[in-house]
Amino acid sequence: DAKTTQPNSMESNEEEPVHLPCNHSTISGTDYIHWYRQLPSQGPEYVIHGLTSNVNNRMASLAIAEDRKSSTLILHRATLRDAAVYYCILSGVGGYNKLIFGAGTRLAVHP
Amino acid sequence: NAGVMQNPRHLVRRRGQEARLRCSPMKGHSHVYWYRQLPEEGLKFMVYLQKENIIDESGMPKERFSAEFPKEGPSILRIQQVVRGDSAAYFCASSPAGDSNQPQHFGDGTRLSIL
Repeated sequence: DAKTTQPNSMESNEEEPVHLPCNHSTISGTDYIHWYRQLPSQGPEYVIHGLTSNVNNRMASLAIAEDRKSSTLILHRATLRDAAVYYCILSGVGGYNKLIFGAGTRLAVHP
Repeated sequence: NAGVMQNPRHLVRRRGQEARLRCSPMKGHSHVYWYRQLPEEGLKFMVYLQKENIIDESGMPKERFSAEFPKEGPSILRIQQVVRGDSAAYFCASSPAGDSNQPQHFGDGTRLSIL
């Protein structure tokens, strides 16, 4: 299975941008890069995904390196509600959408 | 639009009893995934089902665990003769198709406690 590497934890201040990195050097050409987050005591929540081009949605932006071996999730203005564990996942194992979760990055947001 | 509904939210069982966890996918979604999160651990894939078919059960323990997604009704994760180690949060997710370009929508989980 293609694996991802993320920092264990990061900190940010409220209303500042946050850049969450992810390395995936063994990514294959058909793997999508997905980001999910999990708030305390809740189920995971889809954030964003992409294949090659950068992506934007109402929650975040995803910047994908040209060689696709790394990506960055960008939260443009962190809020206290963004404190969560963020998971970077390569989707495509077995040719379908089976998600293999790693340890993720625990993001703390300070007021 | 109702999201993925899981029930019950909390389930308490004694060792040796059976636990049944239900998951109603989002409207129009025919693909269901179950994941388990043990205390202080990450989420682990258990099983992937389409209507009436199990596609991948590679993450499911070989004994005592079974899953189904019938033509009508919710998906059911069944754990027979529960043991203390089964205590965990069980999450269900659904998607409209099974390809890797599809986001999965998760429910809020069932927290199973074994006495």
